[in-house]
Amino acid sequence: AQSVTQLGSHVSVSEGALVLLRCNYSSSVPPYLFWYVQYPNQGLQLLLKYTTGATLVKGINGFEAEFKKSETSFHLTKPSAHMSDAAEYFCAVSDRGANSKLTFGKGITLSVRP
Amino acid sequence: GAVVSQHPSWVICKSGTSVKIECRSLDFQATTMFWYRQFPKQSLMLMATSNEGSKATYEQGVEKDKFLINHASLTLSTLTVTSAHPEDSSFYICSASGQGTSGYNEQFFGPGTRLTVL
Repeated sequence: AQSVTQLGSHVSVSEGALVLLRCNYSSSVPPYLFWYVQYPNQGLQLLLKYTTGATLVKGINGFEAEFKKSETSFHLTKPSAHMSDAAEYFCAVSDRGANSKLTFGKGITLSVRP
Repeated sequence: GAVVSQHPSWVICKSGTSVKIECRSLDFQATTMFWYRQFPKQSLMLMATSNEGSKATYEQGVEKDKFLINHASLTLSTLTVTSAHPEDSSFYICSASGQGTSGYNEQFFGPGTRLTVL
């Protein structure tokens, strides 16, 4: 069975500071990996995904993540936080099948201080 | 492209009544749809997976007779919460995936439906 660990429930950064949200996964085979963002009372928006190829993936809004197989990690980063980045962030994993279901981490709330 | 809508966006009902939530893929054919449930400040929990024209596959612990899922067409899936009780109050989110070109079919999420059972 797959699982996703997102340590901590809340991260607070100053505007302009580096954003680092950690994600570790457990899977018997290399999975597909995702980061989603959720704003209050809304659905999920895909930030970026890793399926194959380059291990450093770039997403929307200046976010990027690096798949590190040896560390079973897929941490999300952004060099400079913006106030609009304040939201809930979920890391997710799925099998490498075409319509495989997603397993989500518990999520982490990002706050951005002026 | 790849827009998924849900209706209604919020609903309040009395205990014992049934509520139907629609999930539509607006600009693509969704061969598979997923239904999730999210409690406040918590993650999404997959309830069931449905393929067009087939019976839904429910996750362990989800009552199939309480949460009826129908995926009658390639653009519409419905979730009916039967005999709703206050503990069914939650945020329900659907996602839809179609035929991708890279061997992976991305899930596109709807905006969610807030259900409150009084």
